[in-house]
Amino acid sequence: AQKITQTQPGMFVQEKEAVTLDCTYDTSDQSYGLFWYKQPSSGEMIFLIYQGSYDEQNATEGRYSLNFQKARKSANLVISASQLGDSAMYFCAMLRGSNYKLTFGKGTLLTVNP
Amino acid sequence: DGGITQSPKYLFRKEGQNVTLSCEQNLNHDAMYWYRQDPGQGLRLIYYSQIVNDFQKGDIAEGYSVSREKKESFPLTVTSAQKNPTAFYLCASSMPVVQPQHFGDGTRLSIL
Repeated sequence: AQKITQTQPGMFVQEKEAVTLDCTYDTSDQSYGLFWYKQPSSGEMIFLIYQGSYDEQNATEGRYSLNFQKARKSANLVISASQLGDSAMYFCAMLRGSNYKLTFGKGTLLTVNP
Repeated sequence: DGGITQSPKYLFRKEGQNVTLSCEQNLNHDAMYWYRQDPGQGLRLIYYSQIVNDFQKGDIAEGYSVSREKKESFPLTVTSAQKNPTAFYLCASSMPVVQPQHFGDGTRLSIL
């Protein structure tokens, strides 16, 4: 079975500091994609960053970067220079190349303190 | 602007009643998905459709039904067989390739 594990139910970070949100995954597929989504308290799911299983370089999008370690099956999200607006739930998800089904972790609630 | 529209934003269901949640997209995506989110939890897949007139059960399809008569529309019916329907429902769409899914703003369903 495909599985996503986020071991940090909650994280706190000071404004302007960097924070790493952990994600490990389990799949037997060779082709898959890893995604991070942000969900503010209003509920919408905002796509942040994507890493393909065959990508050799770690993905970056502005202040977001994905630390992809394929052998360890981990895909941690790094947010640099945290802002108050970064306070939200963050979900790691994996999409299988064999059926395009997206599996989500349980999420990490990030709180940015001023 | 292209996007996904879910309606209504809030919905209340009486005991024994079926209710239908609407999802429309104008992104020209082939694939559409329905997810359920319970408080403090991740999203779980209810149904998905990769092409018109075809759909597959996800991980928690019992008590739900869908149709896909048009590419743009993928309505979800929560039937009376779903004994615990109170949740946040999210619709998404994408092309059937490994790429991000785009989400609507969700519908919050509660029991009266």
